[in-house]
Amino acid sequence: GAGVSQSPSNKVTEKGKDVELRCDPISGHTALYWYRQSLGQGLEFLIYFQGNSAPDKSGLPSDRFSAERTGGSVSTLTIQRTQQEDSAVYLCASESRVAGETQYFGPGTRLLVL
Amino acid sequence: SQQGEEDPQALSIQEGENATMNCSYKTSINNLQWYRQNSGRGLVHLILIRSNEREKHSGRLRVTLDTSKKSSSLLITASRAADTASYFCATNNAGNMLTFGGGTRLMVKP
Repeated sequence: GAGVSQSPSNKVTEKGKDVELRCDPISGHTALYWYRQSLGQGLEFLIYFQGNSAPDKSGLPSDRFSAERTGGSVSTLTIQRTQQEDSAVYLCASESRVAGETQYFGPGTRLLVL
Repeated sequence: SQQGEEDPQALSIQEGENATMNCSYKTSINNLQWYRQNSGRGLVHLILIRSNEREKHSGRLRVTLDTSKKSSSLLITASRAADTASYFCATNNAGNMLTFGGGTRLMVKP
């Protein structure tokens, strides 16, 4: 594809509801990352997928957060029982090589939990 | 926790001036990368410098890396209003993810 795409662009939800955020990586990229960025802050790593290996979930802030990657392509980040502190921009990035090289970012999903 | 710390946090300059942003980090790295972000959206990769490199150029960008001081700098020469953005350094230290700093918000006034 032309680039990494994410949907929705914006999501407003009520506290306690579940949300699903989608990421379509660049075709052929084997690595996929999710980050979270709170207002005016840097990026916080959440989870990393590489090929068929078990994902690195070390950055997930709580068990309300989970992610999957189906068929080695599209990824979904799910936040259950959302809290106001989950409000942030969620960014997805993909990479064509094993860890440490250039990551290509999607436009992000801006999540607001009321 | 953040590996990289950018300095300054905010920088305001006039068009045509040079902008210098610094990044310090704590652990040994494989490479260091600089990214740009407009309006809180997706990041755009600018330049990657490996741990065995000391300086790299790309157009109006110049990046230096001093592994003995665990620091890097990004210089934007002859700045333009369109350079207004946030700039982040990110380090890879043989792990599976990049660790980002808090960013420098650059404003270039026309």
